[in-house]
Amino acid sequence: EAQVTQNPRYLITVTGKKLTVTCSQNMNHEYMSWYRQDPGLGLRQIYYSMNVEVTDKGDVPEGYKVSRKEKRNFPLILESPSPNQTSLYFCASSWQGGNQPQHFGDGTRLSIL
Amino acid sequence: GENVEQHPSTLSVQEGDSAVIKCTYSDSASNYFPWYKQELGKGPQLIIDIRSNVGEKKDQRIAVTLNKTAKHFSLHITETQPEDSAVYFCAASRGKAAGNKLTFGGGTRVLVKP
Repeated sequence: EAQVTQNPRYLITVTGKKLTVTCSQNMNHEYMSWYRQDPGLGLRQIYYSMNVEVTDKGDVPEGYKVSRKEKRNFPLILESPSPNQTSLYFCASSWQGGNQPQHFGDGTRLSIL
Repeated sequence: GENVEQHPSTLSVQEGDSAVIKCTYSDSASNYFPWYKQELGKGPQLIIDIRSNVGEKKDQRIAVTLNKTAKHFSLHITETQPEDSAVYFCAASRGKAAGNKLTFGGGTRVLVKP
């Protein structure tokens, strides 16, 4: 089954404790992206990757890092999480060409205390 | 940058009636407009999309229309059913030139009453 898998699905942690949210897709997609979803704001892009070893900032990259060492994985790293990063996070993937349908994971709900 | 506004924020309809959600976008270079349905505890699921060279697209009970001149697009759901209850998001994209970024509207919570 084609899918985008995120782990963990839920996490409560404290300010400053480094965490990583993993994202894996099994569709051989070149393009992967991270979004955060906040009430009334829709989804906003954090980082994206056009292919292996190619990453770039989205609209709200501050406080986040990403890496793309393998095609299937695109982890999101919060090196020093703060309460304003409490949010619902989604990973998405698609073919590299412009305007391809993006497939989303089921989300990771992070609470930073 | 692109700004997408979506209305209404909530919509309650009787089963069997139609539902219409409207979105406007600001960047005339946007050329791809997908619609996503998000159910509780799930990620957004693409239900239909339209590209700027097309004015209308239909898939069974779902249709989308695009007016490039006015920079707005709409989702139409006919013969609504209780399983259509969800949050719907519109989005706009300039494609690869903008990193395939989707700019989302704020969402519409649709409730279909049986």
